[in-house]
Amino acid sequence: SQELEQSPQSLIVQEGKNLTINCTSSKTLYGLYWYKQKYGEGLIFLMMLQKGGEEKSHEKITAKLDEKKQQSSLHITASQPSHAGIYLCGADIYTQGGSEKLVFGKGTKLTVNP
Amino acid sequence: DADVTQTPRNRITKTGKRIMLECSQTKGHDRMYWYRQDPGLGLRLIYYSFDVKDINKGEISDGYSVSRQAQAKFSLSLESAIPNQTALYFCATSDSRVLETQYFGPGTRLLVL
Repeated sequence: SQELEQSPQSLIVQEGKNLTINCTSSKTLYGLYWYKQKYGEGLIFLMMLQKGGEEKSHEKITAKLDEKKQQSSLHITASQPSHAGIYLCGADIYTQGGSEKLVFGKGTKLTVNP
Repeated sequence: DADVTQTPRNRITKTGKRIMLECSQTKGHDRMYWYRQDPGLGLRLIYYSFDVKDINKGEISDGYSVSRQAQAKFSLSLESAIPNQTALYFCATSDSRVLETQYFGPGTRLLVL
């Protein structure tokens, strides 16, 4: 089963609109990362969240981690064509054996129409 | 100069061929990772290494092997490539001494015919 559920899988918005991407886990997340990938390129780190209730912003992108540290949302305000790409959430979780494991969601493909 | 480099960037090979993907980093990080990305599946971990003497299997290690030649180099090999290994491969690094994110290379696009 997918340990990190990301939604929606794809999103098409008009330039200037706000949008939100969600990342959910059934397990406690000890580090939650948001990445952006342009097609065929490497991943670009956006933000890392660690504490429950934490919120970080970078330009027009804001990411939050809920108090229970099981859900994160990425919000883009007044979207622009430059925001288009695939957004991935990644997280550190602990396995039943106590070891640390890095997992990723399947990604959200964002298209911003001018 | 990029901190994490991958070679080659693109490769086409035939079924049954041996191929090696190389990753180098100048960040001085001790941890290195290999992932593959397939459409709709997100990133999946193939192998990871926490230092030169430490190699660990990831989620999908079958059909792959790795070598950590030095702290800065981590190579991924496909001993006998098969078409379902066609994917985008990413190398990443991280520093275990601080709570820091992973830094990714630009990716290697591999096509196995």
